[in-house]
Amino acid sequence: EAAVTQSPRNKVAVTGGKVTLSCNQTNNHNNMYWYRQDTGHGLRLIHYSYGAGSTEKGDIPDGYKASRPSQENFSLILELATPSQTSVYFCASGTRANSDYTFGSGTRLLVI
Amino acid sequence: QQKVQQSPESLIVPEGGMASLNCTSSDRNVDYFWWYRQHSGKSPKMLMSIFSNGEKEEGRFTVHLNKASLHTSLHIRDSQPSDSALYLCAASISNNRIFFGDGTQLVVKP
Repeated sequence: EAAVTQSPRNKVAVTGGKVTLSCNQTNNHNNMYWYRQDTGHGLRLIHYSYGAGSTEKGDIPDGYKASRPSQENFSLILELATPSQTSVYFCASGTRANSDYTFGSGTRLLVI
Repeated sequence: QQKVQQSPESLIVPEGGMASLNCTSSDRNVDYFWWYRQHSGKSPKMLMSIFSNGEKEEGRFTVHLNKASLHTSLHIRDSQPSDSALYLCAASISNNRIFFGDGTQLVVKP
């Protein structure tokens, strides 16, 4: 079954540390996305990718980097984590052509 | 400026009642809408998508779209407590970027 898998599910990081969130998809979708969701709010786009080797800035890219080394994998990197980056992060893959966007289970990140 | 606005922010309906949720985009380039449902602590799951004017029905869920006003609405009839969730509207333009609204929190009271 096609799926989007995120790791880790939960992460506690210290301020100033480096954090890498990973995402793997078996949907063979070209497009992948990283969102963050703060309590009671919608999803805000951080970075997205149209395929291996490409990354694009979303609406709130400051403080985040992204890497798409392959069709299947898309990582979100926080080089210097700050408490304001405490949130739930969702990865998604999809194509508009078949109206199929699938989300991973999310990563809860706490920066202390 | 947020591209997708949803209303109301929260909605309480009795079990068996009708829930009506609204979504409007401020970007004239938007041409595709989705509705997602997100239960507490879970990831969003797509309910329905719509890109043509008119109405689309799937079971208890009906979606309307007016492309001229960039307004879509989701109607849930015979609402059940299990329908209690955050409902997210999403819209995209041709470059495959997807924008989400802040959602409507629906509570269905038994």
